[in-house]
Amino acid sequence: SQQGEEDPQALSIQEGENATMNCSYKTSINNLQWYRQNSGRGLVHLILIRSNEREKHSGRLRVTLDTSKKSSSLLITASRAADTASYFCAFSGGFKTIFGAGTRLFVKA
Amino acid sequence: SQTIHQWPATLVQPVGSPLSLECTVEGTSNPNLYWYRQAAGRGLQLLFYSVGIGQISSEVPQNLSASRPQDRQFILSSKKLLLSDSGFYLCAWSGLAGDLNEQFFGPGTRLTVL
Repeated sequence: SQQGEEDPQALSIQEGENATMNCSYKTSINNLQWYRQNSGRGLVHLILIRSNEREKHSGRLRVTLDTSKKSSSLLITASRAADTASYFCAFSGGFKTIFGAGTRLFVKA
Repeated sequence: SQTIHQWPATLVQPVGSPLSLECTVEGTSNPNLYWYRQAAGRGLQLLFYSVGIGQISSEVPQNLSASRPQDRQFILSSKKLLLSDSGFYLCAWSGLAGDLNEQFFGPGTRLTVL
């Protein structure tokens, strides 16, 4: 299957802690993206990292990409209750994008 | 700015009934369009994608079909719904800027087949 694999499947942390989610994939990619989905809503794009980049930051988000290991991680620093959502990695080898199964993050206030 | 609309937001249909979900995009031209299905607590399954009017690619064999009668209109249909068609259906679009294919999602339609 081309689908990405994410771990953990679910993560529960206290507000203020950091949350780390990991994603692995099997194919060659042009870029890797992370999306967020609040319950019952559409997905919102968070960040895109190209295959020739190793790290990217956006506010409290830090994404790393290791193409030799075919893996990526999303770090959310100083988490807030409002960060509670599902997070999906998605990778592109063309104009189609393949989504992982997601990590459900719950941040306790 | 670009916006994407989906309707209806929720739908309850009996088994064997037809289905028509509509998605429209505003503020862009010639987008790539996608239909995904998401089972409860799961990731997204790509059902169909389209690179232009009348051009539909199917990713998985199923009870559904898609059509793109206009540049910014994407329709998901079924002649006879099955129980297994229940799920959260998401439409998305992306531009054609090189290999940057960030997708923009609609609000989704929650379909329950009884």
